[in-house]
Amino acid sequence: EAQVTQNPRYLITVTGKKLTVTCSQNMNHEYMSWYRQDPGLGLRQIYYSMNVEVTDKGDVPEGYKVSRKEKRNFPLILESPSPNQTSLYFCASSSSGRGGRKLFFGSGTQLSVL
Amino acid sequence: LAKTTQPISMDSYEGQEVNITCSHNNIATNDYITWYQQFPSQGPRFIIQGYKTKVTNEVASLFIPADRKSSTLSLPRVSLSDTAVYYCLVGDSPRYGGSQGNLIFGKGTKLSVKP
Repeated sequence: EAQVTQNPRYLITVTGKKLTVTCSQNMNHEYMSWYRQDPGLGLRQIYYSMNVEVTDKGDVPEGYKVSRKEKRNFPLILESPSPNQTSLYFCASSSSGRGGRKLFFGSGTQLSVL
Repeated sequence: LAKTTQPISMDSYEGQEVNITCSHNNIATNDYITWYQQFPSQGPRFIIQGYKTKVTNEVASLFIPADRKSSTLSLPRVSLSDTAVYYCLVGDSPRYGGSQGNLIFGKGTKLSVKP
């Protein structure tokens, strides 16, 4: 089954403790992206990757890192999490077929930083 | 990058047709228009995509006027399960040389369907 898999689904951590949220897709997509969603603010893009070893900042990259060493994986790294990074995070990937991008989203990761 | 504007919320009743309009005044020639649906605590799901005129699939229709500065998502005969947030997204095509990776979602339209 074609899917984008994020782990973990829920995560509670403390300020300053490094964490990684994993994202994997099995559709051979070149494009991958991370979003955070907060009440009243909609979906905001953190980072995106057009291909392996190619990453770029989205609208809210501060406090986050990403890497794209393999086509299928695009982990989101919080080196020193802070409470303002408490949010619902989504990973997405996109095909490169006809038409515009069609994003496939993961199920989300609810992160709480205490 | 084309910015989009949608109504914040809409109410409807079961069985009615719902039309949600998105404004994208500075859409570029190579941009496509894509609509997504999102239920609470779930990732957005692709609904429909178009470039011009009308596109229809099994769940919705998308109407795009000739100037392409707006688009309208039409949901026929909505049910309670259509209660969700709907997003319109404008972006170029990777197949035709598009390099737009910074895809910006607006705040979406919260549709509430009542019995």
